[in-house]
Amino acid sequence: NAGVTQTPKFRILKIGQSMTLQCTQDMNHNYMYWYRQDPGMGLKLIYYSVGAGITDKGEVPNGYNVSRSTTEDFPLRLELAAPSQTSVYFCASTMGRWGDTQYFGPGTRLTVL
Amino acid sequence: DAKTTQPNSMESNEEEPVHLPCNHSTISGTDYIHWYRQLPSQGPEYVIHGLTSNVNNRMASLAIAEDRKSSTLILHRATLRDAAVYYCILREGGADGLTFGKGTHLIIQP
Repeated sequence: NAGVTQTPKFRILKIGQSMTLQCTQDMNHNYMYWYRQDPGMGLKLIYYSVGAGITDKGEVPNGYNVSRSTTEDFPLRLELAAPSQTSVYFCASTMGRWGDTQYFGPGTRLTVL
Repeated sequence: DAKTTQPNSMESNEEEPVHLPCNHSTISGTDYIHWYRQLPSQGPEYVIHGLTSNVNNRMASLAIAEDRKSSTLILHRATLRDAAVYYCILREGGADGLTFGKGTHLIIQP
């Protein structure tokens, strides 16, 4: 299993541009998550999904959108990028059973100039 | 998720045991205690978790206080590759994402 994969690894955007961060998992996990991590801080939850067609907001959802059309994929869309969205973005997945663990992707480092 | 308190940083020597403490005085009866670590420039990775009893796996041991208000992650023989930020997180199963604090930055001296 490849686990959780994310593309791209790095990206530089200009203010106002849009982009989609891709996330795919091959573990047949029901639950998927998007987090962001600012320098020196812990991760913060942006959005999550409990299954195909179902998504919900996390702690910091403003400026982002998600969709979940398949079990495997959970893309994160940034509309009108702002410097405050400069961060490292991590996707994660879990089966969702009681006490289950989350598996994280390698991250996408995004810079908005 | 309930709040946890960890030291900002700890330092240890290579090949010595490391005890990383975590306080969680407001833990509920259904909260699992999870530990994740994040190596430089990588995503977090699972280390260990437990509910009430002490737990061992190939990476570490987790010692849970009898009242569950604190726990300790034990690395039995630290290596340079164990230098990372260690996060202690409380969670139930299901949909909730993990609530990360700042964690403990573990420094390993050769």
